Amino acid sequence: SAVISQKPSRDICQRGTSLTIQCQVDSQVTMMFWYRQQPGQSLTLIATANQGSEATYESGFVIDKFPISRPNLTFSTLTVSNMSPEDSSIYLCSVMTSGSGEQYFGPGTRLTVT
Amino acid sequence: GENVEQHPSTLSVQEGDSAVIKCTYSDSASNYFPWYKQELGKGPQLIIDIRSNVGEKKDQRIAVTLNKTAKHFSLHITETQPEDSAVYFCAATPDYKLSFGAGTTVTVRA
Repeated sequence: SAVISQKPSRDICQRGTSLTIQCQVDSQVTMMFWYRQQPGQSLTLIATANQGSEATYESGFVIDKFPISRPNLTFSTLTVSNMSPEDSSIYLCSVMTSGSGEQYFGPGTRLTVT
Repeated sequence: GENVEQHPSTLSVQEGDSAVIKCTYSDSASNYFPWYKQELGKGPQLIIDIRSNVGEKKDQRIAVTLNKTAKHFSLHITETQPEDSAVYFCAATPDYKLSFGAGTTVTVRA
């Protein structure tokens, strides 16, 4: 497995602002992902963070709203732009450490937009 | 894309009894089926997984079964303990993009 940390752990933001969430892993990983978990709901994949290139977004998610960076094999950021109350969710980073397919999740960032 | 259905949505069991959660999937190409446990305020924790070339896998009090023909898989927790209380998610994927079920809130009554 891997030790994954996220910053911030929680935040309260005003609508119209942006928040950047950081994900740090203690070892090099093959793949990194960002998920959203709306209150009381399941997890939805936002995008795959590709090292050195643009992220691959899932249907319903766009780069202008959720820009992602992955400058190296242990770090990624997700920005939630021009926030509205509907963006209030838990944002989770996950990593795949090998080709086995096992994914491990970070502790999440709890975002509330007022 | 893959669609995963999970039942029941809530499950209350007496301590020491067994708990069973069932999931069905739609994509016959799916070949990896993990289960996650999420405690309040924490990220999901991988507790067990199974691949399509295996019908059953066990790890102490937790077991998972897979029926590829029927496209369903189940999580079995035996001798439940209060610390098993959490939300459990099943997932499936044919590649690496996980599709999750809606989750099951398990409450173990002391």
